[in-house]
Amino acid sequence: DIQMTQSPSSLSASVGDRVTITCRASQSISRYLNWYQQRPGKAAKLLIYAASSLQSGVPSRFSGSGSGTDFTLTITSLQPEDFATYYCQQSHSTPITFGQGTRLEIK
Amino acid sequence: EVQLLESGGGLVQPGGSLRLSCAASGFTFSNDAMTWVRQAPGKGLEWVSAIDGNFGTAYYADSVRGRFTISRDKSKNTLYLEMNSLRAEDAAVYYCAKGVMGAPTPGDAFDIWGQGTLVTVSS
Repeated sequence: DIQMTQSPSSLSASVGDRVTITCRASQSISRYLNWYQQRPGKAAKLLIYAASSLQSGVPSRFSGSGSGTDFTLTITSLQPEDFATYYCQQSHSTPITFGQGTRLEIK
Repeated sequence: EVQLLESGGGLVQPGGSLRLSCAASGFTFSNDAMTWVRQAPGKGLEWVSAIDGNFGTAYYADSVRGRFTISRDKSKNTLYLEMNSLRAEDAAVYYCAKGVMGAPTPGDAFDIWGQGTLVTVSS
């Protein structure tokens, strides 16, 4: 199974800040990497697919990059609604696996 | 409105069974892969099972293989998850999600999610 490791596990930031979350795969997954946002009590929401493609309707302050084993999600100019938990997910091979999540909190 | 609506969750004793349903509306069920993802209380997301859109091939996490069965009825626009021999560790909110590809790998992403249905396993 491909293990997905996110860092940090939690992060405190302020409105207007720029933040970066890292996701590392235990083996190369090409660009088969997606990012999701989950707010408390809600289903996850697709933000980025194929490592760097912005899902329709997602604000442009979200961006993704990387390939192989190392990926990043960057949020520029944090907004109040961005404080949530973020997950990476690989779809290179089954079993599909998620990272453990990064909780983004208000400083 | 494009949406998925899960149902069928509830309280079940260890060793018992449940059948979850996921009804799609506002879009054609067509040939997209469909997936079940679960989330135990206070924990992260865990992929459970997927079914491809073209051939109905099923995929399972090791933790549920042999106990859970995924299926779909395109005529009813509905996805199912039959869960048998339930264990305490199966307790979670179960989400169904629509894929953007015809198969779960390589390259699928989950662009539409249901609101989730809670499964509690306890005596």
